[in-house]
Amino acid sequence: DTAVSQTPKYLVTQMGNDKSIKCEQNLGHDTMYWYKQDSKKFLKIMFSYNNKELIINETVPNRFSPKSPDKAHLNLHINSLELGDSAVYFCASSQGRGGGNTIYFGEGSWLTVV
Amino acid sequence: AQSVAQPEDQVNVAEGNPLTVKCTYSVSGNPYLFWYVQYPNRGLQFLLKYITGDNLVKGSYGFEAEFNKSQTSFHLKKPSALVSDSALYFCAVRDTNDYKLSFGAGTTVTVRA
Repeated sequence: DTAVSQTPKYLVTQMGNDKSIKCEQNLGHDTMYWYKQDSKKFLKIMFSYNNKELIINETVPNRFSPKSPDKAHLNLHINSLELGDSAVYFCASSQGRGGGNTIYFGEGSWLTVV
Repeated sequence: AQSVAQPEDQVNVAEGNPLTVKCTYSVSGNPYLFWYVQYPNRGLQFLLKYITGDNLVKGSYGFEAEFNKSQTSFHLKKPSALVSDSALYFCAVRDTNDYKLSFGAGTTVTVRA
């Protein structure tokens, strides 16, 4: 069973479109994250939810909006896609926020904006 | 503020030789340190972490890391590298009172047969 699963794995879309990436974890964790990995492989936190409460909201464009319907799900919606949004988006989860809690990552969603 | 540095973009070793991937960190409180590995077109896999206690931490796939507080380092090591260890390795740090896990820029390891 996949612990952190995200769909779609690959997404090619045109500029200006709106798209969503869905994430689900079956680890029973209470904290979920979205990370962005750019073309140079640099990883940056975007958002984090703990028990459906937004606890990390980094400086990202308002076009990006996370939604957590429950502890096991965290979706990412992107409006008016731009070329610079092309990246790999990783969903992740952990039990507890902060401290020595280990974050477990999904396989990533490769977004290409053309 | 917290940050982590991986001074080497690439590390090349021969199979069977020791492998070391360097990491230094900066935190205002106490650090929680992690190592992850990423294979091509895959997600990050957790290798090991340091929370407290013994400075030598053992992890998955024969990897270990040594926490050195005076040098603010957490280098990843493997006594005998395998070709299958070729991947991108990330060091990460979280400060005591922070929720965020900050990653280094990554080090590409190539193990030649």
